[in-house]
Amino acid sequence: EPEVTQTPSHQVTQMGQEVILRCVPISNHLYFYWYRQILGQKVEFLVSFYNNEISEKSEIFDDQFSVERPDGSNFTLKIRSTKLEDSAMYFCASSEGEGATRETQYFGPGTRLLVL
Amino acid sequence: AQSVTQLDSHVSVSEGTPVLLRCNYSSSYSPSLFWYVQHPNKGLQLLLKYTSAATLVKGINGFEAEFKKSETSFHLTKPSAHMSDAAEYFCVVSEIGGYNKLIFGAGTRLAVHP
Repeated sequence: EPEVTQTPSHQVTQMGQEVILRCVPISNHLYFYWYRQILGQKVEFLVSFYNNEISEKSEIFDDQFSVERPDGSNFTLKIRSTKLEDSAMYFCASSEGEGATRETQYFGPGTRLLVL
Repeated sequence: AQSVTQLDSHVSVSEGTPVLLRCNYSSSYSPSLFWYVQHPNKGLQLLLKYTSAATLVKGINGFEAEFKKSETSFHLTKPSAHMSDAAEYFCVVSEIGGYNKLIFGAGTRLAVHP
């Protein structure tokens, strides 16, 4: 069964460093998402991406964050200058197409980011 | 604004007994609702979804949920718990319009004891 994959599974970085989290969505999916879960808190939406542009972003998704689909398979989240409060589990998700299939999002296993 | 409230942060059951995980939603419209499960060190797996068809929705691994508009509830149930059901469960609503961002509840951790 097709699944969303994410790399790395764990990332430790120093405050102020840039990190790139990578995701490979399910191949025929058209909509891509990033969510994050700070330890002990709810899973929260960061950004959605469709047709090679951001379709919606949350207040969290400030200028330090960017997303890109550099080729036909990868979807990346970049944090330019990490802060301690960026430490979280980051989930990538994708969904298929229009209507009900667009609503159903399939998630990857997550990348646990620790900023020291 | 839409939201979901999971009424229990932790639920503990014995193997073979029924499971009930409670969720209430807030929405001005008929929402699309989901339950996701997260096993330790795993991703979020879709258990089931309600999208305005039948109010009783069957999912994977014997789970089901009933949409009750009058009670604004979408509780998750399973007749007989298995040890492998131990995980965190999230009730989720899809935001109306826009690009369907998901709004998560706080999660319920289910423990299953022998």
